Amino acid sequence: GEDVEQSLFLSVREGDSSVINCTYTDSSSTYLYWYKQEPGAGLQLLTYIFSNMDMKQDQRLTVLLNKKDKHLSLRIADTQTGDSAIYFCAESRATGGFKTIFGAGTRLFVKA
Amino acid sequence: NAGVTQTPKFQVLKTGQSMTLQCAQDMNHNSMYWYRQDPGMGLRLIYYSASEGTTDKGEVPNGYNVSRLNKREFSLRLESAAPSQTSVYFCASSEKSSGANVLTFGAGSRLTVL
Repeated sequence: GEDVEQSLFLSVREGDSSVINCTYTDSSSTYLYWYKQEPGAGLQLLTYIFSNMDMKQDQRLTVLLNKKDKHLSLRIADTQTGDSAIYFCAESRATGGFKTIFGAGTRLFVKA
Repeated sequence: NAGVTQTPKFQVLKTGQSMTLQCAQDMNHNSMYWYRQDPGMGLRLIYYSASEGTTDKGEVPNGYNVSRLNKREFSLRLESAAPSQTSVYFCASSEKSSGANVLTFGAGSRLTVL
């Protein structure tokens, strides 16, 4: 079946790097996403990666994909207090991929 | 550019009451979705509409109905609310881009059923 798992909490100091991890079970997953949710708001897409890639970098964000282990990570360099939020990992398929499956979300706390 | 607009933002219902959550998008997206968010459980798909005129069940459709009124609007109805439906509800829309299904979310509707 389809399942996406992530740890629920992460705490880092301002200026350090944050690494949020995610595992998924569906080997048919072809797109993997990271969304960010700030308090009282909806989710916003941060980035996504196609399953034939193993890394994607976008400014302070680095996504690593290990397709063999079905493991996805999001690294935030130089974490700031404004990065405090809930980060959701999600997956979908390219064909018939209207069902996006989300993890439970990782709440990132950034200490000043 | 408003994106996805949901109403109401907050609602308190008594068990057995009915209500409709409204959602509209102005991005000309074909697909629309309703999710619920519960603590520790992430987002779960209730119903979706891949295109105007079609609707399909998601993971947790029981107790809900939907209507895709036109390309812009997708409503979620609770016919007889139950305390288990206390949640935050999110509407989203998407236009698949090269296979990726990038969702744009509304700000959410917080529903409490007493």
